[in-house]
Amino acid sequence: GESVGLHLPTLSVQEGDNSIINCAYSNSASDYFIWYKQESGKGPQFIIDIRSNMDKRQGQRVTVLLNKTVKHLSLQIAATQPGDSAVYFCAESNAGGTSYGKLTFGQGTILTVHP
Amino acid sequence: EAQVTQNPRYLITVTGKKLTVTCSQNMNHEYMSWYRQDPGLGLRQIYYSMNVEVTDKGDVPEGYKVSRKEKRNFPLILESPSPNQTSLYFCASSFPGGGGTQYFGPGTRLLVL
Repeated sequence: GESVGLHLPTLSVQEGDNSIINCAYSNSASDYFIWYKQESGKGPQFIIDIRSNMDKRQGQRVTVLLNKTVKHLSLQIAATQPGDSAVYFCAESNAGGTSYGKLTFGQGTILTVHP
Repeated sequence: EAQVTQNPRYLITVTGKKLTVTCSQNMNHEYMSWYRQDPGLGLRQIYYSMNVEVTDKGDVPEGYKVSRKEKRNFPLILESPSPNQTSLYFCASSFPGGGGTQYFGPGTRLLVL
């Protein structure tokens, strides 16, 4: 697979556990945040997004929490499955609540799910 | 099938030899973007385009050029490649009106000797 995860934070969980992946963002003017999943040898895949006027958003098995006070973003994955194993990236933008314009990615976190 | 395609997928070249990586999308997306991905650095945006003939610099534009003459195509041009441009490159496109659903291509791995 692609060597994109050298020296990245890692998280190992057992199948069925809940996972929490954290991200600290840098720009206090950012108003739109996205989580991406990247599997080995593939491009990033959109998971969930949140705008700065919200502090929580839920999807299917995933929840994103936003704490603007400390510039922190988290992704919670419920009942983690082996297929969730991947590198997870957060991204931030300040393009008026969209992902248009300049998009800045975090370094990524490697999630490994053990059967 | 809705997709973003990139060519070539793998390329080995030498310093100074001009090259172009093509990107094409069949979803009629207005927004397209190029990223490079390096170990430990995540994805860094090189250039993006809001629409035909509208392009702007991302975080790491030095050494790269782009053009957007047609909505579906957004080629990345390296006029004089250098070894520090060895990387994994991704093209992405998105619907107009915002939203985080950027569709990424499969990636192009470039080695500059």
